[in-house]
Amino acid sequence: GESVGLHLPTLSVQEGDNSIINCAYSNSASDYFIWYKQESGKGPQFIIDIRSNMDKRQGQRVTVLLNKTVKHLSLQIAATQPGDSAVYFCAETYNAGNMLTFGGGTRLMVKP
Amino acid sequence: KAGVTQTPRYLIKTRGQQVTLSCSPISGHRSVSWYQQTPGQGLQFLFEYFSETQRNKGNFPGRFSGRQFSNSRSEMNVSTLELGDSALYLCASSLMGLEETQYFGPGTRLLVL
Repeated sequence: GESVGLHLPTLSVQEGDNSIINCAYSNSASDYFIWYKQESGKGPQFIIDIRSNMDKRQGQRVTVLLNKTVKHLSLQIAATQPGDSAVYFCAETYNAGNMLTFGGGTRLMVKP
Repeated sequence: KAGVTQTPRYLIKTRGQQVTLSCSPISGHRSVSWYQQTPGQGLQFLFEYFSETQRNKGNFPGRFSGRQFSNSRSEMNVSTLELGDSALYLCASSLMGLEETQYFGPGTRLLVL
């Protein structure tokens, strides 16, 4: 992923709407991808992961889509709730390793 | 199961000093990774330890070092602190460190004055 430094892109959505957070990853050899959620003052919290042999994976209220052709990852959150407000990071790794490369993050703000 | 714990949670040091941060992984996890998080550079990988051996290392100067003990607990050390070392230091653990979910601790916030 590419770092965007101090100025995190922000997605503002209405409570109950669906949210889509996008991530462009950097390494075409990456084969394992993870989405993390980070709330203020806390460490990143695992949301969902996907391996490169899949293009879609669903969890509870979340779906991750992987497009290897354009090196793009997205996180869809259904029926967004105020508790979903946080910074969301995509991360990638490759070659059975554990060295995660993180994207710059997107701030999700949910309006009541 | 208890999550990943990190101590201390907050630390203030002055330039030139050294600091040691501690991480206790989830019980049964043998891989421990360390990351630095800053507003400017985001989340960056420092190093990973597995079975008391450093298995991977990120692009950080030699002032940053770490170790892992036989109970999988890990420490990282930063010597000759610089202002730019002010950051949130995060520890993550996983079972074997082979492309699997890493669980993060709350981090240690280090401020260098």
